[in-house]
Amino acid sequence: EAGVAQSPRYKIIEKRQSVAFWCNPISGHATLYWYQQILGQGPKLLIQFQNNGVVDDSQLPKDRFSAERLKGVDSTLKIQPAKLEDSAVYLCASSLQGPNTEAFFGQGTRLTVV
Amino acid sequence: SQQGEEDPQALSIQEGENATMNCSYKTSINNLQWYRQNSGRGLVHLILIRSNEREKHSGRLRVTLDTSKKSSSLLITASRAADTASYFCATPTSGGSYIPTFGRGTSLIVHP
Repeated sequence: EAGVAQSPRYKIIEKRQSVAFWCNPISGHATLYWYQQILGQGPKLLIQFQNNGVVDDSQLPKDRFSAERLKGVDSTLKIQPAKLEDSAVYLCASSLQGPNTEAFFGQGTRLTVV
Repeated sequence: SQQGEEDPQALSIQEGENATMNCSYKTSINNLQWYRQNSGRGLVHLILIRSNEREKHSGRLRVTLDTSKKSSSLLITASRAADTASYFCATPTSGGSYIPTFGRGTSLIVHP
C-alpha cells in the first residue's frame, strides 16, 4: 500500500513570497489533515478535511494560509505572504473515517523562510 | 482541544536497556496513539490502543492505558541505537471529529 505522498520535500523562500505544498493521501482515506511542526514542538493541526469538506480549520491563520481538497483526494496548502515564523515542517496525514483509526503521515515539507 | 503531554521530555539510555515514556491527557478519550519521529522524517504510527484496552504489544513495544488516571505509557524493551527518535502520544479531540492532537514529545537517545 502506498503511503501519503508530499512534495516538495524542502523549500526555501524569502519572507512575503508565496509557497504551496501538495499532498496525495492513501487511497480510500476520506480524512486528510495538515499539521505544522515547529522545531522542538509537536505537530499542531492546521486543518482537517472529510472528503472535500472542511471539518476543522480553527487553528489555520486564514489571513495568510489557505487549503483546498479538490474531488476529495489530493490537497494543497498555500501560504501567502510567508513570514519568518512560518518556518516549520508541514505534515500531511490521512486516515479512514471515524474514531479508532490510525492517522498515517507523509514525510513532510521543510519550509525555511529567510 | 485536549493535548497529551509526554514525560520525560528527554531520555538517554544505553543499548539493551528498557525505555519508558509516559503520556497524560485531560479528558475522556476513545483511543490513544503513539508515534515515532526520526530526525528529519515524518511521523511513523506505532500503536493505537482503545479506551477499553489496558495493554497492547507490538514486537518490543508495550503500551498501557489507565483511563482512571488518564495516562498511558510506552515501554521499549532491549533498546537499540535505531530506536533513537522522538516519541509522541496523540489523543483525539472531542466533539466527533477525532483529530489526533499531539504533545511536545519525548526525545529518546540510545547510546550504542
